[in-house]
Amino acid sequence: QKEVEQNSGPLSVPEGAIASLNCTYSDRVSQSFFWYRQYSGKSPELIMSIYSNGDKEDGRFTAQLNKASQYVSLLIRDSQPSDSATYLCAVKWYAGKSTFGDGTTLTVKP
Amino acid sequence: DAGITQSPRYKITETGRQVTLMCHQTWSHSYMFWYRQDLGHGLRLIYYSAAADITDKGEVPDGYVVSRSKTENFPLTLESATRSQTSVYFCASSEDSSYNQPQHFGDGTRLSIL
Repeated sequence: QKEVEQNSGPLSVPEGAIASLNCTYSDRVSQSFFWYRQYSGKSPELIMSIYSNGDKEDGRFTAQLNKASQYVSLLIRDSQPSDSATYLCAVKWYAGKSTFGDGTTLTVKP
Repeated sequence: DAGITQSPRYKITETGRQVTLMCHQTWSHSYMFWYRQDLGHGLRLIYYSAAADITDKGEVPDGYVVSRSKTENFPLTLESATRSQTSVYFCASSEDSSYNQPQHFGDGTRLSIL
C-alpha cells in the first residue's frame, strides 16, 4: 500500500468552478503537508503548506487538514485555465524526508 | 538568486555507460535529494543527504551512486546505465529537517538511455 494516495484523476472543471484535490496518507508520524503544482515539462513548485488541523487560505487556494482521518485536500476557487497542471501532495516525515503522491492532473476548460 | 541548478538539462547515452548528473544549490541548504519521475509513478526518492558526507538510500537506490563532499553539490552517478533508468531526474534541497521547510526543486534532467 502506498504511503500517500491522491485521487487518480484526471479532473476536469469549467473555468470559474471550484476544483477539489484530495490526498490520504498512511498511519505514520507525519510532520507537515505540502501541495506542489507541476506544469507539463516543468519542475514542481510549492503552492501551499499546512501543519495543523483545519483550513489554511492563500488567495484562491485553501488547504484542509484532518489528521484524525489522515486526509489533506486542496481547494482551488474560481479556477482558471492557468491552473491546469498536475498537483502533487507531499507528506513530510521526521528525518527530513517526504513522500509524494502520484499527482492529480487538473484541466480547467474555458 | 541562482537557487538550485541541474546539469545537463538533456542527456542521451547508451546502455552500459556511466553518466553523472550534477546538482548545485546556492542556499547552503543542509538537505538535498534526488528523485526520478516516471509516468504513473510520481516522484520516487533515489538518495538523500542530510549534510556533507552524510547520504542515505531512498526508495529506489539500486544502480545509482551519490556523493556529497561539499554542501552545495550533490552529484548522482549511474554506474552502468540501463534502459529502465530512462526518466526525468529532479534534484531538490531543503533548508533543514524542520517540519515547516519545504523542498525546492531544480529544473530537472531528462535522461534517455538507448
